[in-house]
Formats: sequence, structure tokens, C-alpha cells
Amino acid sequence: GNSVTQMEGPVTLSEEAFLTINCTYTATGYPSLFWYVQYPGEGLQLLLKATKADDKGSNKGFEATYRKETTSFHLEKGSVQVSDSAVYFCALSNTGRRALTFGSGTRLQVQP
Amino acid sequence: EAQVTQNPRYLITVTGKKLTVTCSQNMNHEYMSWYRQDPGLGLRQIYYSMNVEVTDKGDVPEGYKVSRKEKRNFPLILESPSPNQTSLYFCASSFWGEPQHFGDGTRLSIL
Repeated sequence: GNSVTQMEGPVTLSEEAFLTINCTYTATGYPSLFWYVQYPGEGLQLLLKATKADDKGSNKGFEATYRKETTSFHLEKGSVQVSDSAVYFCALSNTGRRALTFGSGTRLQVQP
Repeated sequence: EAQVTQNPRYLITVTGKKLTVTCSQNMNHEYMSWYRQDPGLGLRQIYYSMNVEVTDKGDVPEGYKVSRKEKRNFPLILESPSPNQTSLYFCASSFWGEPQHFGDGTRLSIL
């Protein structure tokens, strides 16, 4: 079956630091990959996506590249801000029922 | 404004008392889904619907029911809630092949 593994948090960084949140997956076929972000008290928002190998998704300074050879989709940002503090979920979708398989989430805390 | 609206946002209730969490979307999406979020487990799909009158089980359907009588609404029904259904619930919707849009969540506590 499908599974997503992401690094445990919390990840605590100072403002303007470089961010990497690791995500690896197990799936059959060719899944679509996503990063969702959840701010306190809110639902999940799509941050970026990639639908095929070597695609790079990007949004709001965040990037992730679909690496089929390493089954990875690591999230990166060059300079984090306090406003980036949230929980980040890596997810994949490749079934007919379009279920998203989520990782357990990584909490990011950015300190001023 | 395009959105997925869930109600209630918070509910504390007792074991065995039937409850319904409503979900409504205004984007004319054909696909809708319910997830529950538990610490360390991420989100897991409960039920989904590909269109009106078409629903099917997700990964953790036990203890839940759904219906899809109208395109915009997809209520989640707990006929006899139990404490292990205490969780944070999210409704989502999308067009086929597009990323899912999520509601703000419903936090249920079953005592």
C-alpha cells in the first residue's frame, strides 16, 4: 500500500534560516505528490504539488522536487519567516478514489 | 468566496448520542471526502464521494456513515459515537484531477 514518511518535529529555526523537511514515499505506479500547510486553528492549504518525476513545485518561496529514483519530495525554503510557523504535511495520491495518503506532519517553529 | 464550510467547529458530547457534522462547498466540485486527523498519524480518509448518490469507504470507515443527496453537501454521521472517535475531522472537495480544498475542521470530543 501507499505510505508517506516525513521527519519528526518540531523543527525550530531562527528567522532567515534555511529549511529542509524530508519526505519519502512508498507507492505503486506514478503518484502525484503534495505539500500541505496547516496554520493554527485552520484547515489544510495546498502549498505546492508535482505530478510527475523531476517536476518542481514552488509557491511562496517553498520548493520541492519529485525524485522518483529516491522516492522523495523534500520541502525547502531558503529563508524562513516567523509567519511560516505551522505544521507541514507531505501527501500523495494515486488511487482511483483519490484518497490523499498523508505523512504524520512536521511542526515548524520559527523564532525571531 | 470559494470555500468548504464545516459545522460545528467544536462539539463535546457523550457516548451513544447520534451526531451529524455538516460539510458544504460552493465550488461545484463533484468529489468530496472526509478525513480524521490524529496525533502522529496524519490524516486518514473515512469516506469519499465521486458525485451525487455515489459514496464509498476510505481507510477508516467503521462507525461512520455519509450521504450525498446534493452536490454541495456531504454530511458525516456518527450513529452511536464512542470515545475512540474523538478526533479532528476535515471535509475536502475538488474537481476531478485537481488538488483538494479543505474546510477548517471540526474538533469532536466523545466522553
